[in-house]
Amino acid sequence: QKEVEQNSGPLSVPEGAIASLNCTYSDRVSQSFFWYRQYSGKSPELIMSIYSNGDKEDGRFTAQLNKASQYVSLLIRDSQPSDSATYLCAVTVLRGGKLIFGQGTELSVKP
Amino acid sequence: EAQVTQNPRYLITVTGKKLTVTCSQNMNHEYMSWYRQDPGLGLRQIYYSMNVEVTDKGDVPEGYKVSRKEKRNFPLILESPSPNQTSLYFCASSYTGTSGSYEQYFGPGTRLTVT
Repeated sequence: QKEVEQNSGPLSVPEGAIASLNCTYSDRVSQSFFWYRQYSGKSPELIMSIYSNGDKEDGRFTAQLNKASQYVSLLIRDSQPSDSATYLCAVTVLRGGKLIFGQGTELSVKP
Repeated sequence: EAQVTQNPRYLITVTGKKLTVTCSQNMNHEYMSWYRQDPGLGLRQIYYSMNVEVTDKGDVPEGYKVSRKEKRNFPLILESPSPNQTSLYFCASSYTGTSGSYEQYFGPGTRLTVT
């Protein structure tokens, strides 16, 4: 089992819809959880971080964490074509020492 | 402007010719790290450094060396590059967030081709 798993996609949603991206992780002692957005050929850009169970909202983005289920998700409301990118889930175990990425989910928002 | 810089951005070299990719950050971050990104394999950590003179292996350290003599710089050294090191490389740095955890910020990437 991979340490961090994401559906590779592509996930296609119409403009204005909610895009839901999911991530599971295997290590129960994982402490910090991040969502990065990566446009083709560009570097990953941090969009959300979450450290405790529950929801965290930032603009159109909501991260949800459930440590009991070892599950973290990202919701993008009112999706825009500019949101089309690959979304990477990342998890740390040690205090910043090791950041493990999922394979990424490709999101396509259709006008 | 707060940023992580990498040089060169593109490099084509031949097998066995030593090379160094530089990474510098101006945010006074203690933590720095190197990743490689390959199609189908995602981002994998090569080495990381918690502070000056403190480095440790990531998931794929073979064939790479690093050093951290100054807080702002974290060069990646390939002593004898091989074609399987052809990849897109990212440097990242981080500070300690309010929850004591690290949010990493990435440089623009270095595309390396070894022939």
